[in-house]
Amino acid sequence: AQSVTQPDIHITVSEGASLELRCNYSYGATPYLFWYVQSPGQGLQLLLKYFSGDTLVQGIKGFEAEFKRSQSSFNLRKPSVHWSDAAEYFCAVGAHNDMRFGAGTRLTVKP
Amino acid sequence: GAVVSQHPSWVICKSGTSVKIECRSLDFQATTMFWYRQFPKQSLMLMATSNEGSKATYEQGVEKDKFLINHASLTLSTLTVTSAHPEDSSFYICSARDGRGDIQYFGAGTRLSVL
Repeated sequence: AQSVTQPDIHITVSEGASLELRCNYSYGATPYLFWYVQSPGQGLQLLLKYFSGDTLVQGIKGFEAEFKRSQSSFNLRKPSVHWSDAAEYFCAVGAHNDMRFGAGTRLTVKP
Repeated sequence: GAVVSQHPSWVICKSGTSVKIECRSLDFQATTMFWYRQFPKQSLMLMATSNEGSKATYEQGVEKDKFLINHASLTLSTLTVTSAHPEDSSFYICSARDGRGDIQYFGAGTRLSVL
């Protein structure tokens, strides 16, 4: 069965600092991987996705993620965090009609 | 990009009444739509998957008579919470997938408060 683990429930970083959000997955085949961001009281916005090919994928808002098959990971990174990046971030794995979400990581940005 | 509209964004109702939530794909045809429930500070829990013109597939533990889903067209799915009770209060989010890919596009969610 497929599953997603986001080990960090809450992360606080200073504005301008770098960010890495961890995501580990369990999947029987090559997974489709996603990162979504959710602002309070809002739906989810797709940041980036990995289907195949280059393992370093670029997304919107300056985010990137790297697929590492050997580590079953798909960590999200941003070199310099902005205050507007404060939100909940969800990693997801799956395809077609079966997508599983991690528990989410809440990002707080300090001035 | 693909846009999914969800309405209403917030609804308050009395216990025992029914509430309908609409999910529309605005610029694409959604062959499949999904309904999720999200509890405070928790992840999304898939409730059901609906395909246009057919009955929804409910996840284990989700009462299909309680949460009625209709996907009558390629751009509209509705979730009706029947005889709502306070324990049904939650944040409900829909998403839609077009026929070409594996990306789900999400609505902004509906906060349901049952008094």
